[in-house]
Amino acid sequence: NAGVMQNPRHLVRRRGQEARLRCSPMKGHSHVYWYRQLPEEGLKFMVYLQKENIIDESGMPKERFSAEFPKEGPSILRIQQVVRGDSAAYFCASSPGTAGSGQETQYFGPGTRLLVL
Amino acid sequence: QQQVKQSPQSLIVQKGGISIINCAYENTAFDYFPWYQQFPGKGPALLIAIRPDVSEKKEGRFTISFNKSAKQFSLHIMDSQPGDSATYFCAASGSGGGADGLTFGKGTHLIIQP
Repeated sequence: NAGVMQNPRHLVRRRGQEARLRCSPMKGHSHVYWYRQLPEEGLKFMVYLQKENIIDESGMPKERFSAEFPKEGPSILRIQQVVRGDSAAYFCASSPGTAGSGQETQYFGPGTRLLVL
Repeated sequence: QQQVKQSPQSLIVQKGGISIINCAYENTAFDYFPWYQQFPGKGPALLIAIRPDVSEKKEGRFTISFNKSAKQFSLHIMDSQPGDSATYFCAASGSGGGADGLTFGKGTHLIIQP
């Protein structure tokens, strides 16, 4: 059973370009979470999605960031007009159930390291 | 504000010793407390998790101790080995508290000296 897959593993963008990060959850998992990790810091929750729905985007910056989890295909985290401060590691996690269900364990992918020049 | 405070920031332990990392939380809606291990350049990997209905959980050399009244929990690594050298994160989440995403501590850099 393959784990959470993320691609690309490394992404370099110039200021003003768009970054698209992809995440394929573990088989059988319908809950996807995105986190951002700055150097020497813990992970910060960004957004929680289920198929075709954004459930909680309280950690997502209001501008330039968007996320989707379509019926078919991977979840996408999109960052428009990137700035140097967007440089970070972005991790995706998936779980079989939601908080309080007893199946909320989140399994993380290897991350995408975004560098904005 | 939902927070999880983790200490120490860094820890050096001799091989064979006990590594202890502590976390404290504020949100009483939290009801799930996992610990993750992260190696450089890798994603976090789940080590062990606990719920508030038990005070201790043990898996191999890893033990979580949980104190609900004090809103604190800790990770103990027994017989620490050089391969345990990594960054450890505590986290919390809860139903009904708007906390579907995990709230992480800032991490502890653990070094096990041979």
